[in-house]
Amino acid sequence: DAKTTQPDSMESTEGETVHLPCSHATISGNEYIYWYRQVPLQGPEYVTHGLQQNTTNSMAFLAIASDRKSSTLILPHVSLRDAAVYHCILFGGSNAKLTFGKGTKLSVKS
Amino acid sequence: GALVYQYPRRTICKSGTSMRMECQAVGFQATSVAWYRQSPQKTFELIALSTVNSAIKYEQNFTQEKFPISHPNLSFSSMTVLNAYLEDRGLYLCGARGHSNERLFFGHGTKLSVL
Repeated sequence: DAKTTQPDSMESTEGETVHLPCSHATISGNEYIYWYRQVPLQGPEYVTHGLQQNTTNSMAFLAIASDRKSSTLILPHVSLRDAAVYHCILFGGSNAKLTFGKGTKLSVKS
Repeated sequence: GALVYQYPRRTICKSGTSMRMECQAVGFQATSVAWYRQSPQKTFELIALSTVNSAIKYEQNFTQEKFPISHPNLSFSSMTVLNAYLEDRGLYLCGARGHSNERLFFGHGTKLSVL
């Protein structure tokens, strides 16, 4: 019963800027939007998170809709190392469980 | 920085035997530890959430009798898979965090194969 919806897969080319969408129409007011990514046989790696305002760090830019019902993870100038499954997850407040869905498998070609 | 070390990385056990995996938090105090299993089909299942000085909360379909967890202090947690069978195969992950709403830091996972 994942509370987020993401496309199963996306393809990109090295150097492109990639937009990974996520829908979370039932998000509650105190839930944060977290993004993790995972490569095979490794644990999930934290990418970014936000509550209401857009956030940016060295890995990505997170754009959050004003109604918080959707968000987009923006990866600038992707490289082959960015190929992974990206998970959009709601967490925090009364929701103490980080619940993973299937995520979006991002493929990057050279 | 904050890190979580999980070991062993891989293990193989005979059907009906048990194996234990451990997680060590470095650089932060792990007040909560969540144990997950990722199946060969890549779906995640939360096994249990452990908070220091509180009871461990197991999810439906997972029990303390099958997956006993220890979380004795703010830097260490372990979980044992008792009487492992084929359906227990997968990548077991521990995720630790400090205070509420902080991110979970994950270990590399323990891949369990059962013969």
